[in-house]
Amino acid sequence: GAGVSQSPSNKVTEKGKDVELRCDPISGHTALYWYRQSLGQGLEFLIYFQGNSAPDKSGLPSDRFSAERTGGSVSTLTIQRTQQEDSAVYLCASSLGQGFYNEQFFGPGTRLTVL
Amino acid sequence: GENVEQHPSTLSVQEGDSAVIKCTYSDSASNYFPWYKQELGKRPQLIIDIRSNVGEKKDQRIAVTLNKTAKHFSLHITETQPEDSAVYFCAASISSGGGADGLTFGKGTHLIIQP
Repeated sequence: GAGVSQSPSNKVTEKGKDVELRCDPISGHTALYWYRQSLGQGLEFLIYFQGNSAPDKSGLPSDRFSAERTGGSVSTLTIQRTQQEDSAVYLCASSLGQGFYNEQFFGPGTRLTVL
Repeated sequence: GENVEQHPSTLSVQEGDSAVIKCTYSDSASNYFPWYKQELGKRPQLIIDIRSNVGEKKDQRIAVTLNKTAKHFSLHITETQPEDSAVYFCAASISSGGGADGLTFGKGTHLIIQP
């Protein structure tokens, strides 16, 4: 079946503009995660959804970052007034979300470049 | 919050030799420890994981060990092959019956297999 998909694959924007990144999880996966990977760095947790609610928003770096999920499926990550330090690859992952120890499957990521 | 340290940052081994990557974690409540492999330009993919109720798990040439008392876990790759060259990330999270928290990742180990 289809894996996690993300769009766009690449996004170049100017400093100060808003951007929206989209994630389509694997069908039937109730848990959805957003991570950020900066050049040469590890993966940084941003936010986690269980269904449409976000029990953990602790990783969002500032109030310019927000995310929503509707219908228990697609999620969008919005970055307002982008800054150059927001440049990174934004990765989405999904898991079954029920029961213990569910593997997180990653999407291909969106490479964001803020000029 | 959780903090995961990973060493070494770069590891070069001769083809056919073994490779060991080590991680420590800080939160004693963490109970799920996956390892991801990321090839250049690709998404992270799970290669093995371990739950806190076991001390060791093996899958062909890959094994992971966990020492809960010392709060450290390690990845062992035997008989390394050129296709093992990649960046490897360890991670930790708290998983319950309702799903898992976001993963806290180490900063990664760039494994280079010398022919």
